Amino acid sequence: GDSVTQTEGQVALSEEDFLTIHCNYSASGYPALFWYVQYPGEGPQFLFRASRDKEKGSSRGFEATYDKGTTSFHLRKASVQESDSAVYYCALGSNSGTYQRFGTGTKLQVVP
Amino acid sequence: EAAVTQSPRNKVTVTGGNVTLSCRQTNSHNYMYWYRQDTGHGLRLIHYSYGAGNLQIGDVPDGYKATRTTQEDFFLLLELASPSQTSLYFCASSDGSGGRDTQYFGPGTRLLVL
Repeated sequence: GDSVTQTEGQVALSEEDFLTIHCNYSASGYPALFWYVQYPGEGPQFLFRASRDKEKGSSRGFEATYDKGTTSFHLRKASVQESDSAVYYCALGSNSGTYQRFGTGTKLQVVP
Repeated sequence: EAAVTQSPRNKVTVTGGNVTLSCRQTNSHNYMYWYRQDTGHGLRLIHYSYGAGNLQIGDVPDGYKATRTTQEDFFLLLELASPSQTSLYFCASSDGSGGRDTQYFGPGTRLLVL
C-alpha cells in the first residue's frame, strides 16, 4: 500500500544552519504530497503541498520539490531559527483521494 | 481560518471503561478524521467520514468505533478502553477531496487509560 518514510526521527541544529528533512514515498501515479508542522501543545498545521512532478511548494522560508524520479519530497530551509523548533510531518494523499497517510514525523530542535 | 474543536482536552479512565471523544468543525467541511499520535508512529488514521451517517475504516480501527451525527460533529468511541489506547488523539477536517486538500486539525485530546 501507499507509504511515507521519514528517516530522521530527530534533528538538532544551530540557528542559521541549513535544514534538510528527508521524505520518500511509495505510491502509484502522482499522489499529492504535503508538509505539516506541529508546535508543542498544538495540532499539526498545514505548511504547503505539491501535486505534480517538479512542482515546488513553499511557505515561511521552507520549500520542497516533488520528485517523481526519486519518489521524494524533501523539506529544506536555508537558515533555521529557534522558532522553527517543532515536529514536521510529511504526508501523502491516497490514490482514492479520500485520506492522507502521514510519516512518523521529524522533531527539529534549533538552539541559539 | 478553519476551526476544529475537541473535547475533553484531557481524559483519564480505567481499563474496561467507556470513553467518548468529541470533535466539532464549523466550516461545513465534508471530510472528518480521527488520528492517534504516538512516539515512533507519528499520526495514524483510525476512522474517517465524508458526511453525516458515513463511516470509513482507517489503518488502526481495532477497539474504536466512530459516528458522524451531523456535518459538524464526529465522535470517537472506546467501549472497553485498554492501556494500549493511551495516546494523544487528533481530529481533523478538510473540504473537498480529503486526499488532495489541506487538513485542519483540532488541539488534541490526551487520553490516559489506567
